[in-house]
Amino acid sequence: DTGVSQNPRHKITKRGQNVTFRCDPISEHNRLYWYRQTLGQGPEFLTYFQNEAQLEKSRLLSDRFSAERPKGSFSTLEIQRTEQGDSAMYLCASSSSGVETQYFGPGTRLLVL
Amino acid sequence: GEDVEQSLFLSVREGDSSVINCTYTDSSSTYLYWYKQEPGAGLQLLTYIFSNMDMKQDQRLTVLLNKKDKHLSLRIADTQTGDSAIYFCAESDTGRRALTFGSGTRLQVQP
Repeated sequence: DTGVSQNPRHKITKRGQNVTFRCDPISEHNRLYWYRQTLGQGPEFLTYFQNEAQLEKSRLLSDRFSAERPKGSFSTLEIQRTEQGDSAMYLCASSSSGVETQYFGPGTRLLVL
Repeated sequence: GEDVEQSLFLSVREGDSSVINCTYTDSSSTYLYWYKQEPGAGLQLLTYIFSNMDMKQDQRLTVLLNKKDKHLSLRIADTQTGDSAIYFCAESDTGRRALTFGSGTRLQVQP
C-alpha cells in the first residue's frame, strides 16, 4: 500500500499525559500536513511542512502541540499535558510541489479521559 | 477569514441523482475539492476543479462551479448505497497551502 499511513490508529490516554502520533506520507511527496477533526465538523488545519521545514502553523496549534519532520520524510505530532478538549481525530495528508491535491491518511483517533 | 458552508443532510433513493451544494467566501480560491469520508475513516479525494473552470466530469461525478456566486456543487449520477457517506467541500488559495473545509453533508441512500 503506497498511501499515507498513520500510527497508532487509536489512542486512549488520561488527562495530563503526553501522546505522540506518527505519519508516513506517500513516498515521493515533499509536503505534509496535519489537521484535526472533531465530531460533526470538517478537518481544521494545524500545520504544514515542505521537506523538513515547518512553513505554516495555525493558531489552533497551542504551545502544548509540537510537530516535527526531521528528515523530510515521516512526521510526528506530539501533544503535551493532554486535555479532554484534545479528543479528536488527527489527520495527516501529503502532496507534491506543484500539484495541489492532498491525500489523506486514515487518521489517529485520540480520546482523553 | 475563509468560510465554507454546506447543508447538513441529503437523502435520496438508490438510482436517483444526488446534488450536494457548497458555498465559499474566499474570492482568491484557486482550487475547490470534494472529499468523501466513510465512518471512522480518513478522507478520500473524489475530484477537484480549478477556479478558471466551470464544469468537470469524472464518470458518475459532475462538479459545477459558479465563481460569480461562489457556489460549488457535486452531482452523483445513479447514486448507490455505497455512496452513503459524508461529503466535504474544501478550498485552497494561492497564498496558503492549507485546505479550508465545510462541515460536511451526510448523504443517505435509501434502497
